[in-house]
Amino acid sequence: QQPVQSPQAVILREGEDAVINCSSSKALYSVHWYRQKHGEAPIFLMILLKGGEQKGHDKISASFNEKKQQSSLYLTASQLSYSGTYFCGTEIYDDMRFGAGTRLTVKP
Amino acid sequence: DSGVTQTPKHLITATGQRVTLRCSPRSGDLSVYWYQQSLDQGLQFLIQYYNGEERAKGNILERFSAQQFPDLHSELNLSSLELGDSALYFCASSVDAGVTGELFFGEGSRLTVL
Repeated sequence: QQPVQSPQAVILREGEDAVINCSSSKALYSVHWYRQKHGEAPIFLMILLKGGEQKGHDKISASFNEKKQQSSLYLTASQLSYSGTYFCGTEIYDDMRFGAGTRLTVKP
Repeated sequence: DSGVTQTPKHLITATGQRVTLRCSPRSGDLSVYWYQQSLDQGLQFLIQYYNGEERAKGNILERFSAQQFPDLHSELNLSSLELGDSALYFCASSVDAGVTGELFFGEGSRLTVL
């Protein structure tokens, strides 16, 4: 079962902040975040593990609420290079299911 | 460079045909995942293999099959192709069976069915 992401799309000016949300109807073991540029492979950003351990990117942060089965990705002081589609991936049945993605566009 | 190699990068074929996509995981990775991404859509999970054995199956059609060989490379076979099978097919690998570590994605194989 795929996680649900919101919003579907965001347009920002350079320097603005954004939050992308990811929720699941099932209990989660972990949440992954990836960014994909158009036509390229997804690139790993962050993983959040049940129990609170967090690994990833020092310029992007995320939270994981295990009780609510939700995760949020925080992009602060956005840069042009942040543009792309962000996917959350959730591990439920020992496999990785991705949300439909959030398209982020950062304008100068 | 993620270390995951997919071939071919591009493939154009006709409806009704059969194709094979190949994936070589990163050195040391035992798990291989296959995903389908249709135009501007999300990543649809197809199937996962771990150390030669099928571990999880997602929305994979009966016309599609996959396997992982003893040298850990994997192949995705697509048969009786339809126009709707046109997509970017990604392979990803990880060290272990559970997904507690990063997935490394290949560059993808773009399949066009005419």
